[in-house]
Amino acid sequence: QKEVEQNSGPLSVPEGAIASLNCTYSDRGSQSFFWYRQYSGKSPELIMSIYSNGDKEDGRFTAQLNKASQYVSLLIRDSQPSDSATYLCAVNGNTGGFKTIFGAGTRLFVKA
Amino acid sequence: DAGVIQSPRHEVTEMGQEVTLRCKPISGHNSLFWYRQTMMRGLELLIYFNNNVPIDDSGMPEDRFSAKMPNASFSTLKIQPSEPRDSAVYFCASRQLGTDEQYFGPGTRLTVT
Repeated sequence: QKEVEQNSGPLSVPEGAIASLNCTYSDRGSQSFFWYRQYSGKSPELIMSIYSNGDKEDGRFTAQLNKASQYVSLLIRDSQPSDSATYLCAVNGNTGGFKTIFGAGTRLFVKA
Repeated sequence: DAGVIQSPRHEVTEMGQEVTLRCKPISGHNSLFWYRQTMMRGLELLIYFNNNVPIDDSGMPEDRFSAKMPNASFSTLKIQPSEPRDSAVYFCASRQLGTDEQYFGPGTRLTVT
């Protein structure tokens, strides 16, 4: 089992719709969870971090965390073509200090 | 402010040659990470340093790979000898200890023929 799992996609949504990206992790002791966005040919960029169960909203982005289910999600409201990118879920594990494990990423396409 | 600086941006070399990738972290950041990204394996952590000291190198694929951080503003990742399967984008990232956000450099695209 991979430590951080994501559906590779591609996930295709129409402009203005809600895009829902999901991630599961295996280390039950993980404490910190992140979503990075990576445009094609570019480097990853942190867009959301979440540390406690529940929802965290930042503009059009909402991160959701359920530690009991070992599940993290990212919702993008009013999706725009500029949101088309690969979204990487990342988790700071309970072992190895500040080692961050990345999922393989989900490719999102927002159709105009 | 300058971000993480990596050089070269592109490297094409022949199998068996030595390759050295360079990274300058953001000033004031005291954690540095080397990652490798491929379509097949995604983004993999190779090694990371705290205060110039290697903390975890369990991701380094084999003895052909080595990394150094002689001071707070410079790190190298060396592959000797290089093989075609080393072809990938290599990212360096830095972070301030005690914080979570890693800032990635633009990456070095390595092609080994």
